[in-house]
Amino acid sequence: DAGITQSPRYKITETGRQVTLMCHQTWSHSYMFWYRQDLGHGLRLIYYSAAADITDKGEVPDGYVVSRSKTENFPLTLESATRSQTSVYFCASSPGLAGSNTGELFFGEGSRLTVL
Amino acid sequence: AQRVTQPEKLLSVFKGAPVELKCNYSYSGSPELFWYVQYSRQRLQLLLRHISRESIKGFTADLNKGETSFHLKKPFAQEEDSAMYYCALTGAGRRALTFGSGTRLQVQP
Repeated sequence: DAGITQSPRYKITETGRQVTLMCHQTWSHSYMFWYRQDLGHGLRLIYYSAAADITDKGEVPDGYVVSRSKTENFPLTLESATRSQTSVYFCASSPGLAGSNTGELFFGEGSRLTVL
Repeated sequence: AQRVTQPEKLLSVFKGAPVELKCNYSYSGSPELFWYVQYSRQRLQLLLRHISRESIKGFTADLNKGETSFHLKKPFAQEEDSAMYYCALTGAGRRALTFGSGTRLQVQP
């Protein structure tokens, strides 16, 4: 099925380990985003990408790395996981700019990460 | 800096009662405002955007620039409206959305 998929859906890791969360979309949307969802904070933007090889920091980028070598993939890497990175991570894609008529965000199902 | 504030973490109403989910924003320019909703075991999805001036599932939202608010309203709540609601804003560049902390709406029978 076409759409946006995230993997893994659940991950438990230990402090200091590297973790990569995958995001794949089949619509060829230009824009892709990573948000983290935490109680009391809602959704906070980590990184986003306007196109392949173009990425920008969001509100909370520290401790995360992204890449976008192909339009359809936007992996998020935690280089050395910390307990504060325990969260639910959402990937989203959009065909156009956020405020435009084509700017609707389509979200993945989320990846729940626990860092022990 | 742009910010979205949803002052209520939880709003509980009875079926048939009016609903108003509050959203206030701070942004110095001309923002675009949205409401996204996440039903139980479903993905986060767009409910409505202010530029469309539409009513979706009986919900409406009016942008009040004087009060910097974009409250979501429905005259008669239904049990299926129970969900997590997020207000979101985009500003200059229109590249990404800034979300509020969300309000959980519980509609009781």
